[in-house]
Amino acid sequence: AQSVTQPDIHITVSEGASLELRCNYSYGATPYLFWYVQSPGQGLQLLLKYFSGDTLVQGIKGFEAEFKRSQSSFNLRKPSVHWSDAAEYFCAVGLNTGNQFYFGTGTSLTVIP
Amino acid sequence: EPEVTQTPSHQVTQMGQEVILRCVPISNHLYFYWYRQILGQKVEFLVSFYNNEISEKSEIFDDQFSVERPDGSNFTLKIRSTKLEDSAMYFCASSDIQQIMNTEAFFGQGTRLTVV
Repeated sequence: AQSVTQPDIHITVSEGASLELRCNYSYGATPYLFWYVQSPGQGLQLLLKYFSGDTLVQGIKGFEAEFKRSQSSFNLRKPSVHWSDAAEYFCAVGLNTGNQFYFGTGTSLTVIP
Repeated sequence: EPEVTQTPSHQVTQMGQEVILRCVPISNHLYFYWYRQILGQKVEFLVSFYNNEISEKSEIFDDQFSVERPDGSNFTLKIRSTKLEDSAMYFCASSDIQQIMNTEAFFGQGTRLTVV
């Protein structure tokens, strides 16, 4: 069965510091991979996605993620975090059949001044 | 920027009561979805809907659940007789083409349902 694991429930970083949020997936083939962000009171917003090709993908708000097939990982990174990045981040996997996402449990990011 | 809107943002209901969660998808989208997240757990797929019928559903989406597009703009999720374990955040989403993985699904801000 497909699954997505976000091992960090909560992360706190200082503003200006770098950030890496971890995501591991379990699926027999290369899945479609996504990162969504949810700010308080807002919907889930797509940050970036990977379908194929270059394993380093760029997203909005200065985020990037790298697909590593050997590690079944799709970690999200940002070189310098801003206070407005405080939010809940969800990694998701999609299959090339059907129309559903499999989400992780989310990582809550706190940014301290 | 177009957005998916959900109402209400928070609903409290007594166990056994019926609830209807409402969603207004993006106007030119044709594919609609409901997901839910029980506190501390994963966001889980419930159902997808296209052309006035369910196209996929998960095992969570049992006979207590139903979806409807009553008019040209709303997309509703009805829970016929709520249970305590239905307490969760419910997300509506919509997309413009069927292959959701080839496009972007837009999610609403969620409705927090509390069953007491």
